Amino acid sequence: DSGVTQTPKHLITATGQRVTLRCSPRSGDLSVYWYQQSLDQGLQFLIQYYNGEERAKGNILERFSAQQFPDLHSELNLSSLELGDSALYFCASSVDVLSSSPLHFGNGTRLTVT
Amino acid sequence: ILNVEQSPQSLHVQEGDSTNFTCSFPSSNFYALHWYRWETAKSPEALFVMTLNGDEKKKGRISATLNTKEGYSYLYIKGSQPEDSATYLCAFAGGSARQLTFGSGTQLTVLP
Repeated sequence: DSGVTQTPKHLITATGQRVTLRCSPRSGDLSVYWYQQSLDQGLQFLIQYYNGEERAKGNILERFSAQQFPDLHSELNLSSLELGDSALYFCASSVDVLSSSPLHFGNGTRLTVT
Repeated sequence: ILNVEQSPQSLHVQEGDSTNFTCSFPSSNFYALHWYRWETAKSPEALFVMTLNGDEKKKGRISATLNTKEGYSYLYIKGSQPEDSATYLCAFAGGSARQLTFGSGTQLTVLP
Protein backbone atom coordinates (compact mmCIF):
# COMPACT_ATOMS: atom_id res chain seq x y z
CA ASP A 1 0.00 0.00 0.00
CA SER A 2 1.59 3.26 -1.20
CA GLY A 3 -0.52 5.43 1.09
CA VAL A 4 -1.88 7.41 -1.87
CA THR A 5 -5.65 7.22 -2.23
CA GLN A 6 -7.47 7.89 -5.47
CA THR A 7 -11.21 8.00 -5.98
CA PRO A 8 -13.21 6.88 -7.78
CA LYS A 9 -11.63 3.69 -9.03
CA HIS A 10 -13.74 3.62 -12.17
CA LEU A 11 -15.73 6.30 -13.93
CA ILE A 12 -17.93 5.93 -16.99
CA THR A 13 -19.37 9.06 -18.53
CA ALA A 14 -20.54 10.49 -21.82
CA THR A 15 -18.84 12.83 -24.24
CA GLY A 16 -19.23 16.48 -23.36
CA GLN A 17 -19.51 15.81 -19.64
CA ARG A 18 -17.26 16.97 -16.80
CA VAL A 19 -15.71 14.79 -14.11
CA THR A 20 -13.54 15.30 -11.05
CA LEU A 21 -10.86 12.87 -9.93
CA ARG A 22 -9.64 13.04 -6.37
CA CYS A 23 -6.30 12.20 -4.78
CA SER A 24 -5.09 12.14 -1.19
CA PRO A 25 -1.30 12.04 -0.98
CA ARG A 26 0.76 9.85 1.34
CA SER A 27 1.02 11.30 4.82
CA GLY A 28 3.88 13.80 4.93
CA ASP A 29 4.16 14.23 1.16
CA LEU A 30 3.74 17.78 -0.09
CA SER A 31 3.99 17.20 -3.84
CA VAL A 32 1.19 15.76 -5.94
CA TYR A 33 1.57 14.74 -9.57
CA TRP A 34 -1.05 13.72 -12.11
CA TYR A 35 -0.25 11.31 -14.94
CA GLN A 36 -2.33 9.96 -17.81
CA GLN A 37 -1.86 6.55 -19.36
CA SER A 38 -3.75 6.05 -22.61
CA LEU A 39 -3.90 2.83 -24.59
CA ASP A 40 -0.46 1.87 -25.92
CA GLN A 41 1.14 4.95 -24.41
CA GLY A 42 3.44 5.38 -21.46
CA LEU A 43 2.81 7.55 -18.45
CA GLN A 44 2.30 11.13 -19.63
CA PHE A 45 2.92 13.87 -17.10
CA LEU A 46 0.04 16.31 -16.74
CA ILE A 47 0.70 18.62 -13.81
CA GLN A 48 2.46 18.92 -10.44
CA TYR A 49 1.48 20.79 -7.28
CA TYR A 50 3.65 21.45 -4.26
CA ASN A 51 2.15 22.60 -0.98
CA GLY A 52 -0.85 24.12 -2.70
CA GLU A 53 0.92 25.81 -5.60
CA GLU A 54 1.26 24.71 -9.20
CA ARG A 55 4.91 23.84 -9.87
CA ALA A 56 5.04 22.33 -13.31
CA LYS A 57 2.82 21.64 -16.27
CA GLY A 58 3.21 18.91 -18.83
CA ASN A 59 1.00 17.99 -21.75
CA ILE A 60 -2.22 19.00 -20.03
CA LEU A 61 -5.10 20.06 -22.24
CA GLU A 62 -6.84 23.38 -21.66
CA ARG A 63 -10.03 21.43 -20.92
CA PHE A 64 -8.27 19.92 -17.92
CA SER A 65 -7.46 21.73 -14.69
CA ALA A 66 -6.28 20.78 -11.25
CA GLN A 67 -5.79 22.19 -7.81
CA GLN A 68 -4.28 21.23 -4.48
CA PHE A 69 -6.15 22.18 -1.33
CA PRO A 70 -4.82 23.31 2.07
CA ASP A 71 -5.15 19.76 3.39
CA LEU A 72 -2.92 18.73 0.44
CA HIS A 73 -5.48 16.61 -1.35
CA SER A 74 -5.73 17.32 -5.05
CA GLU A 75 -8.46 17.23 -7.66
CA LEU A 76 -8.15 16.88 -11.42
CA ASN A 77 -11.08 18.30 -13.35
CA LEU A 78 -11.71 17.07 -16.88
CA SER A 79 -14.35 18.92 -18.90
CA SER A 80 -15.95 18.72 -22.35
CA LEU A 81 -14.86 15.11 -22.38
CA GLU A 82 -13.98 13.42 -25.64
CA LEU A 83 -13.64 9.73 -26.48
CA GLY A 84 -9.86 10.16 -26.58
CA ASP A 85 -9.81 11.18 -22.93
CA SER A 86 -10.52 7.59 -21.96
CA ALA A 87 -7.46 6.54 -20.01
CA LEU A 88 -6.05 5.52 -16.66
CA TYR A 89 -5.28 8.59 -14.57
CA PHE A 90 -2.68 8.21 -11.85
CA CYS A 91 -1.93 10.46 -8.97
CA ALA A 92 1.47 10.24 -7.30
CA SER A 93 2.99 12.01 -4.34
CA SER A 94 6.49 12.68 -3.10
CA VAL A 95 7.99 14.28 -0.06
CA ASP A 96 9.42 17.32 -1.82
CA VAL A 97 9.32 19.24 -5.06
CA LEU A 98 12.56 17.78 -6.45
CA SER A 99 12.72 14.84 -8.81
CA SER A 100 15.34 13.19 -6.58
CA SER A 101 12.65 11.71 -4.32
CA PRO A 102 10.69 8.60 -5.36
CA LEU A 103 7.08 8.94 -6.41
CA HIS A 104 4.38 6.97 -4.60
CA PHE A 105 1.50 6.12 -6.91
CA GLY A 106 -2.17 5.64 -6.20
CA ASN A 107 -4.11 2.82 -7.81
CA GLY A 108 -5.45 5.06 -10.53
CA THR A 109 -8.86 6.07 -11.81
CA ARG A 110 -9.98 4.39 -15.00
CA LEU A 111 -12.04 6.84 -17.03
CA THR A 112 -14.20 5.58 -19.87
CA VAL A 113 -15.87 8.16 -22.09
CA THR A 114 -18.68 6.76 -24.24
CA ILE B 1 10.50 16.79 -25.48
CA LEU B 2 12.95 14.49 -23.69
CA ASN B 3 13.47 11.06 -25.20
CA VAL B 4 13.64 8.15 -22.77
CA GLU B 5 14.03 4.78 -24.46
CA GLN B 6 13.79 1.37 -22.85
CA SER B 7 14.89 -1.89 -24.38
CA PRO B 8 13.86 -4.51 -24.95
CA GLN B 9 10.14 -3.78 -25.07
CA SER B 10 9.40 -7.26 -23.70
CA LEU B 11 11.37 -10.20 -22.44
CA HIS B 12 10.60 -13.81 -21.53
CA VAL B 13 13.06 -15.68 -19.33
CA GLN B 14 13.07 -18.97 -17.48
CA GLU B 15 12.91 -19.12 -13.71
CA GLY B 16 16.44 -18.93 -12.35
CA ASP B 17 17.87 -16.98 -15.28
CA SER B 18 19.51 -13.64 -14.70
CA THR B 19 18.49 -10.80 -16.95
CA ASN B 20 19.05 -7.13 -17.58
CA PHE B 21 17.46 -4.30 -19.49
CA THR B 22 18.43 -0.82 -20.56
CA CYS B 23 17.15 2.72 -20.13
CA SER B 24 18.65 5.39 -22.43
CA PHE B 25 18.23 9.08 -21.74
CA PRO B 26 19.77 12.42 -22.78
CA SER B 27 23.34 12.69 -21.52
CA SER B 28 23.20 16.43 -20.90
CA ASN B 29 21.58 18.30 -18.00
CA PHE B 30 21.08 15.14 -15.96
CA TYR B 31 19.33 15.43 -12.62
CA ALA B 32 17.95 12.02 -11.58
CA LEU B 33 17.03 8.59 -12.89
CA HIS B 34 14.24 6.51 -11.36
CA TRP B 35 13.32 2.83 -11.74
CA TYR B 36 9.80 1.57 -10.99
CA ARG B 37 8.25 -1.87 -10.99
CA TRP B 38 4.65 -2.10 -12.23
CA GLU B 39 2.74 -5.32 -11.68
CA THR B 40 -0.49 -5.97 -13.56
CA ALA B 41 -3.55 -4.48 -11.85
CA LYS B 42 -1.37 -2.60 -9.38
CA SER B 43 0.31 0.81 -9.37
CA PRO B 44 3.98 1.54 -10.11
CA GLU B 45 6.27 1.01 -7.13
CA ALA B 46 9.60 2.80 -6.74
CA LEU B 47 12.70 0.62 -6.87
CA PHE B 48 15.59 3.08 -7.07
CA VAL B 49 16.38 6.75 -7.47
CA MET B 50 19.91 7.51 -8.69
CA THR B 51 21.45 10.93 -8.93
CA LEU B 52 25.22 10.49 -9.32
CA ASN B 53 27.24 9.14 -12.23
CA GLY B 54 28.50 5.68 -11.30
CA ASP B 55 25.71 5.13 -8.76
CA GLU B 56 24.91 1.51 -8.09
CA LYS B 57 21.83 0.52 -6.10
CA LYS B 58 20.73 -2.91 -4.88
CA LYS B 59 17.52 -4.27 -3.43
CA GLY B 60 17.56 -8.03 -2.91
CA ARG B 61 18.12 -9.69 -6.27
CA ILE B 62 17.58 -6.46 -8.21
CA SER B 63 20.33 -3.94 -8.86
CA ALA B 64 20.83 -0.91 -11.07
CA THR B 65 23.76 1.06 -12.45
CA LEU B 66 23.96 4.55 -13.86
CA ASN B 67 26.17 6.18 -16.49
CA THR B 68 25.18 9.81 -16.90
CA LYS B 69 28.03 10.67 -19.27
CA GLU B 70 26.81 8.25 -21.92
CA GLY B 71 23.14 8.42 -20.93
CA TYR B 72 22.16 4.93 -19.88
CA SER B 73 21.13 2.88 -16.88
CA TYR B 74 20.94 -0.90 -16.54
CA LEU B 75 18.57 -2.85 -14.34
CA TYR B 76 19.71 -6.36 -13.41
CA ILE B 77 17.66 -9.17 -11.93
CA LYS B 78 19.61 -12.14 -10.60
CA GLY B 79 17.93 -15.55 -10.48
CA SER B 80 14.56 -14.38 -11.84
CA GLN B 81 11.45 -15.68 -10.11
CA PRO B 82 7.86 -15.77 -11.45
CA GLU B 83 6.96 -13.02 -8.96
CA ASP B 84 9.44 -10.74 -10.75
CA SER B 85 7.07 -10.69 -13.73
CA ALA B 86 6.11 -7.04 -14.19
CA THR B 87 6.75 -4.01 -16.34
CA TYR B 88 9.87 -2.13 -15.33
CA LEU B 89 9.76 1.60 -15.97
CA CYS B 90 12.57 4.08 -15.91
CA ALA B 91 12.05 7.82 -15.60
CA PHE B 92 14.52 10.61 -16.32
CA ALA B 93 14.63 14.06 -14.77
CA GLY B 94 16.79 16.61 -16.49
CA GLY B 95 16.98 19.99 -18.10
CA SER B 96 15.69 23.12 -16.46
CA ALA B 97 12.25 21.69 -15.67
CA ARG B 98 13.59 18.54 -14.00
CA GLN B 99 10.24 16.87 -14.48
CA LEU B 100 10.17 13.10 -14.71
CA THR B 101 9.78 11.71 -18.20
CA PHE B 102 8.88 8.03 -18.23
CA GLY B 103 10.00 5.44 -20.74
CA SER B 104 7.50 2.96 -22.17
CA GLY B 105 8.82 0.15 -20.01
CA THR B 106 10.22 -3.36 -20.39
CA GLN B 107 7.64 -6.08 -19.81
CA LEU B 108 9.30 -9.05 -18.12
CA THR B 109 7.70 -12.49 -17.97
CA VAL B 110 9.43 -15.15 -15.90
CA LEU B 111 8.32 -18.64 -16.88
CA PRO B 112 8.25 -21.32 -14.16
